[in-house]
Amino acid sequence: GQNIDQPTEMTATEGAIVQINCTYQTSGFNGLFWYQQHAGEAPTFLSYNVLDGLEEKGRFSSFLSRSKGYSYLLLKELQMKDSASYLCAVLDSNYQLIWGAGTKLIIKP
Amino acid sequence: DGGITQSPKYLFRKEGQNVTLSCEQNLNHDAMYWYRQDPGQGLRLIYYSQIVNDFQKGDIAEGYSVSREKKESFPLTVTSAQKNPTAFYLCASSTGRESNGYTFGSGTRLTVV
Repeated sequence: GQNIDQPTEMTATEGAIVQINCTYQTSGFNGLFWYQQHAGEAPTFLSYNVLDGLEEKGRFSSFLSRSKGYSYLLLKELQMKDSASYLCAVLDSNYQLIWGAGTKLIIKP
Repeated sequence: DGGITQSPKYLFRKEGQNVTLSCEQNLNHDAMYWYRQDPGQGLRLIYYSQIVNDFQKGDIAEGYSVSREKKESFPLTVTSAQKNPTAFYLCASSTGRESNGYTFGSGTRLTVV
């Protein structure tokens, strides 16, 4: 079956750095997405990786290793507004998105 | 501004009733999707449509129905056959280019009373 694993919850301190991991086992691979979702709101697109390596976008970076079935989202200079759930999703061989359950990130002052 | 509008934001339904959730987009996107989100679970695909007048079942289509008569609109009907309809429902659209990702509506929280 298809599976995406992320930690359920993480806690970090304002101003620090946090890394949220995602491992996947899917039938085929056509890219990996990270989304941010604040409670009760819609997910918003953060990043898309289809080749191995690191993609940087301001305070957020996303890394992909296709051979290891592994990705991480790196958040730097954490702000209180970064408290949210972070969703990892993989586009499989049928171009369908398979979603992880999300990682709830709690930022403490 | 372009975007996706879902309405209503909150909806209460009595058991045995059908209810329709609205989803409208003005992004000129070809593809539209309906997801269900439950606590502690990933988003699950209910139905999707890649072109007007055509739609496909997702992983959990039983108890739901959709239509795609216009490019801008993709309403979802939750029928009385859906055993556990209380959930957060998200509509999304995309250009079909993977790197652009999906754009989501703000969601409808449905509660069966």
